[in-house]
Amino acid sequence: DADVTQTPRNRITKTGKRIMLECSQTKGHDRMYWYRQDPGLGLQLIYYSFDVKDINKGEISDGYSVSRQAQAKFSLSLESAIPNQTALYFCATAVRGRPDTQYFGPGTRLTVL
Amino acid sequence: GQQVMQIPQYQHVQEGEDFTTYCNSSTTLSNIQWYKQRPGGHPVFLIQLVKSGEVKKQKRLTFQFGEAKKNSSLHITATQTTDVGTYFCAGITSYGKLTFGQGTILTVHP
Repeated sequence: DADVTQTPRNRITKTGKRIMLECSQTKGHDRMYWYRQDPGLGLQLIYYSFDVKDINKGEISDGYSVSRQAQAKFSLSLESAIPNQTALYFCATAVRGRPDTQYFGPGTRLTVL
Repeated sequence: GQQVMQIPQYQHVQEGEDFTTYCNSSTTLSNIQWYKQRPGGHPVFLIQLVKSGEVKKQKRLTFQFGEAKKNSSLHITATQTTDVGTYFCAGITSYGKLTFGQGTILTVHP
């Protein structure tokens, strides 16, 4: 969905480096999410934010941090990347009042060597 | 914590055959959703089921929500090559927590 964009789309980095993945949306949604996808494990929730001042940990937040710079922007950081953080990362948005339906960005494929 | 299990993990079918994926929750759900992810793409919302025993159809796709609201299924009749991808269920509890199943990867051989 072009209304949700993620940068970069692909990134290769080395162990120990700090990495930031960015998500922007023009849908006007207040709720934003970061998921990680690994083969056979589906989508696991890392962090979510219901508005700029509300940040919550998901199922697998260890090793990650987030920043909600504005309603339209939600960034995910890996402070010190490790190889088992190699995965496909998706940002998603949802609208207040209908919080269930997730609108996903195109994904960022991250490889940590 | 809440768990949503989806089976099978993989399914290979010949074009024209039917396909079914099943989703089971460890807790009673408020709603259940289904998403499709094409190869190389991102998950896209297909449908949401809310009522116990609900059945909804989208062309060749039939979605069911169990009477106890703890399980669901997606059935595709006469698969086509355009059906390839990963199908995810996502269970939503009464307090709004959404948990995805592991997904079923569907391959359709022409």
